[in-house]
Amino acid sequence: AQSVAQPEDQVNVAEGNPLTVKCTYSVSGNPYLFWYVQYPNRGLQFLLKYITGDNLVKGSYGFEAEFNKSQTSFHLKKPSALVSDSALYFCAVRDTNAGKSTFGDGTTLTVKP
Amino acid sequence: SAVISQKPSRDICQRGTSLTIQCQVDSQVTMMFWYRQQPGQSLTLIATANQGSEATYESGFVIDKFPISRPNLTFSTLTVSNMSPEDSSIYLCSVTGTGNEKLFFGSGTQLSVL
Repeated sequence: AQSVAQPEDQVNVAEGNPLTVKCTYSVSGNPYLFWYVQYPNRGLQFLLKYITGDNLVKGSYGFEAEFNKSQTSFHLKKPSALVSDSALYFCAVRDTNAGKSTFGDGTTLTVKP
Repeated sequence: SAVISQKPSRDICQRGTSLTIQCQVDSQVTMMFWYRQQPGQSLTLIATANQGSEATYESGFVIDKFPISRPNLTFSTLTVSNMSPEDSSIYLCSVTGTGNEKLFFGSGTQLSVL
């Protein structure tokens, strides 16, 4: 069975500082990994994905994530946080056979001015 | 990309009644899913809606409680049957786009059961 862990319920950073939202996963076979973001009172949006290739993937709004196979991690990063980045972030792993995705518990990111 | 229209956006229902949620996609999609999300919490997969056959339910979810239809490649319904306050949640329709990779989500149905 596949699983995703987001060890931090909440991450607080100051605007302009770098941010990291952590994610580790467990899956048999090659992982398809994703980050989604949920802004207040809005639906879930795709942010970025790792399927294959370069370990560093770039996504929307200046976010990037680094795939680390040995550590089974897929941490979300951004060099300089904005107040508008404040939202709920979900890491997800997709079963390549069944197609269904398993989500982590989510991390609330708060960026303070 | 896929644009998903989910209806109703919210409803308040009485205990013991049923609510059917509709999900309409603007293009044919291979896979459709129904998730439940408690406010501010993670998403739990209820089932995969299969076109022309019975849905595939996850552990803890059964067809009698959450019947699902998918008559074609662009439309699905989820019914929450014999509701109780514990069913109060946000229900999300989700589909995979071309390439069967990332998920697209509807705006959700916020259900409150009194």
